[in-house]
Amino acid sequence: NAGVMQNPRHLVRRRGQEARLRCSPMKGHSHVYWYRQLPEEGLKFMVYLQKENIIDESGMPKERFSAEFPKEGPSILRIQQVVRGDSAAYFCASSPAGRSKGLQYFGAGTRLSVL
Amino acid sequence: GESVGLHLPTLSVQEGDNSIINCAYSNSASDYFIWYKQESGKGPQFIIDIRSNMDKRQGQRVTVLLNKTVKHLSLQIAATQPGDSAVYFCAEIFNNAGNMLTFGGGTRLMVKP
Repeated sequence: NAGVMQNPRHLVRRRGQEARLRCSPMKGHSHVYWYRQLPEEGLKFMVYLQKENIIDESGMPKERFSAEFPKEGPSILRIQQVVRGDSAAYFCASSPAGRSKGLQYFGAGTRLSVL
Repeated sequence: GESVGLHLPTLSVQEGDNSIINCAYSNSASDYFIWYKQESGKGPQFIIDIRSNMDKRQGQRVTVLLNKTVKHLSLQIAATQPGDSAVYFCAEIFNNAGNMLTFGGGTRLMVKP
């Protein structure tokens, strides 16, 4: 049973470009979460999605950031017109539906560097 | 509480000793807590969890203690090994905050051989 898969592992973008981060949840998991981590800090919640629905995006900046989890395919976190402050590690987590939904399993992350 | 960008607190222990990592959580309405281990360049790895109706839970070499009175969580690692060296985060889920995890600031554990 493969874990949460994220790609790319490392992404370099110049200011003003777009960044697309992909996440495939664990098999059987229908809930996906995105978190951002700055060096030496804990993870900060961004968005929570189920298939074709955004459930909670309270942690996501209102501009330039968007997320989706389509019926088919991976979840995508999209950052438009990146700025240096977007440089961080972005982690995706997934969980099953039901009583165990609080337990989230994390991918290895995508490290975004904005030049 | 949350880190404000300062260096992580560090706990340095000798191989074979027991380690205790502490965490103060923020919301008395939190009903689920998880300890994660994060090695350099990797994602957080689940260690152990506990619900608010319990005060202790044991796993293999790890024990989590929950004190709701003072909103304190601790992770005890028995017979610490070099492979335990990592940053440890506690995370909580609030009753009414959906499913989002709120992470504490983390503690770096260094195991000396």
